[in-house]
Amino acid sequence: TQLLEQSPQFLSIQEGENLTVYCNSSSVFSSLQWYRQEPGEGPVLLVTVVTGGEVKKLKRLTFQFGDARKDSSLHITAAQPGDTGLYLCAGRNSGGSNYKLTFGKGTLLTVNP
Amino acid sequence: DTAVSQTPKYLVTQMGNDKSIKCEQNLGHDTMYWYKQDSKKFLKIMFSYNNKELIINETVPNRFSPKSPDKAHLNLHINSLELGDSAVYFCASTRDRGHTGELFFGEGSRLTVL
Repeated sequence: TQLLEQSPQFLSIQEGENLTVYCNSSSVFSSLQWYRQEPGEGPVLLVTVVTGGEVKKLKRLTFQFGDARKDSSLHITAAQPGDTGLYLCAGRNSGGSNYKLTFGKGTLLTVNP
Repeated sequence: DTAVSQTPKYLVTQMGNDKSIKCEQNLGHDTMYWYKQDSKKFLKIMFSYNNKELIINETVPNRFSPKSPDKAHLNLHINSLELGDSAVYFCASTRDRGHTGELFFGEGSRLTVL
């Protein structure tokens, strides 16, 4: 079983601050995704990274895939209350033709106005 | 239009009962999943079907039985419910079950076993 460790587990910050969330594993992944989940809803995909060292930006969010494809980070610049939610990283490795998506335990972010 | 819809959204029942959760997707996807999210928000895969064929079956008690009557529907039946079955169950679907496929989730079905 591949494990994805996310840190921190909880993060409470003030509007305008920057933050970074980490996703680490001892396993190599063929791809890694970040999802955001709001209360009472299902997770929604933010980004997919595939290549080691890849960096993707989505407005104020910057995602990076580690060179060895074992870890990833999510950096938010000037956080806003609308960024509040549960951030989940999820990785896939090649398992035959059924690429199973394994989720980390999530980082619960609260951005206070 | 809701892409992935689950019913019921809330379910409260007694230990020992049998219950079902239904899921339908109108995205035309071939692959559907059931995930369980526990009280600590950990999302764990239970089953996956591709075109009505079971392709992923994690270590789940055999009290849980998925059924896919067609590729747009995936239902979950749970027998002899236990306290530990209390959780939010999410249905999801994907067009591409390859390594970059996006999962589309339903809103979840919160099951409470008393």
